[in-house]
Amino acid sequence: DAGVIQSPRHEVTEMGQEVTLRCKPISGHDYLFWYRQTMMRGLELLIYFNNNVPIDDSGMPEDRFSAKMPNASFSTLKIQPSEPRDSAVYFCASSEGPRRAFFGQGTRLTVV
Amino acid sequence: SQQGEEDPQALSIQEGENATMNCSYKTSINNLQWYRQNSGRGLVHLILIRSNEREKHSGRLRVTLDTSKKSSSLLITASRAADTASYFCATDAGMDSNYQLIWGAGTKLIIKP
Repeated sequence: DAGVIQSPRHEVTEMGQEVTLRCKPISGHDYLFWYRQTMMRGLELLIYFNNNVPIDDSGMPEDRFSAKMPNASFSTLKIQPSEPRDSAVYFCASSEGPRRAFFGQGTRLTVV
Repeated sequence: SQQGEEDPQALSIQEGENATMNCSYKTSINNLQWYRQNSGRGLVHLILIRSNEREKHSGRLRVTLDTSKKSSSLLITASRAADTASYFCATDAGMDSNYQLIWGAGTKLIIKP
């Protein structure tokens, strides 16, 4: 199993541009999580899905952030428009029920 | 909100020594998990301890859980330079399908050669 796959690994974009982060969870996992990690705030849960349905999006900072999971093997996190304060490492993780979560390698986003 | 709180925030020890990190939480939990994060990488699961367990071992790792004190500790014995990383505890307090891990701020462990 290749694990959780995120793309791109690095993204540099200009303020105001749309950014789309992608995640392929581990096959068979029914939970998918999007996290953001910064030095100031640590690891923050943005949103999570169960069986492709968003369960809790209370961590999404504002309307500029949106996430979708059109099927069990793919999810996106979109930021539109992006701002410098969105610069962070974004992690996707998946799990099979309430057990250990498997993390992707993360996408390092820099908004200039 | 962050439920788990690790202490210390940072720990620096000599290779070969034991490292102990603690985690406190606020609500009842189903299980508590410890993860490691190497610089610039994703988090890696180390060990899960259920609420009805008190101690668990995995190689050089020993985890204890005291539900009466709402605390857990992670002990790494005979530390190695490769153990240098940040360590996070995460609690699962969800019910039914409302499952999510609530994370602490982490302990940064440095093993000096």
